[in-house]
Amino acid sequence: QKEVEQDPGPLSVPEGAIVSLNCTYSNSAFQYFMWYRQYSRKGPELLMYTYSSGNKEDGRFTAQVDKSSKYISLFIRDSQPSDSATYLCATSGDSSYKLIFGSGTRLLVRP
Amino acid sequence: SAVISQKPSRDICQRGTSLTIQCQVDSQVTMMFWYRQQPGQSLTLIATANQGSEATYESGFVIDKFPISRPNLTFSTLTVSNMSPEDSSIYLCSVEGTVQETQYFGPGTRLLVL
Repeated sequence: QKEVEQDPGPLSVPEGAIVSLNCTYSNSAFQYFMWYRQYSRKGPELLMYTYSSGNKEDGRFTAQVDKSSKYISLFIRDSQPSDSATYLCATSGDSSYKLIFGSGTRLLVRP
Repeated sequence: SAVISQKPSRDICQRGTSLTIQCQVDSQVTMMFWYRQQPGQSLTLIATANQGSEATYESGFVIDKFPISRPNLTFSTLTVSNMSPEDSSIYLCSVEGTVQETQYFGPGTRLLVL
């Protein structure tokens, strides 16, 4: 079993839709949770960061962590074609800066 | 956030040769990391490179295959040695972020080995 599981997609939605991206993880010691966005032929870009459980909102993006079910979510409201990218969840737990990544979900927002 | 550049951005190499990838950061950082991202797969950490100490390699990666240098706080190199087609991948460097446990990534080096 992988430490972080993520549906690879692709996920195709119309412009303006609400997008839900999800990951599950296996190690209850994980405390730090991140979402990275990776455009084609670019490096990953840090999008959202959450420590422990709870929600964090930044503009159209909301990150949610449920430690009881080991579930990580990213919601994108009013999705735009410019949101088309691969979204990677990542987690860490031991303060070593060693990140464990999901495999990434490819998102396509259709105009 | 830190601005990270990598050279080369892409290369096509012959089997059995070696390629050195450079990573330059616009600010001093303690930790630098090297990742491999194979097509359709996630990022896999190769090694952590701290200035002034030997790189720490993850399981499955060895120094003879992936020697790393870290001569100062803004620069690192990763060499992919004695390449085979299985080494075709994207190689990414990253640095510690300003928020704990986060990292900032470079644009990547796309390597194709024939």
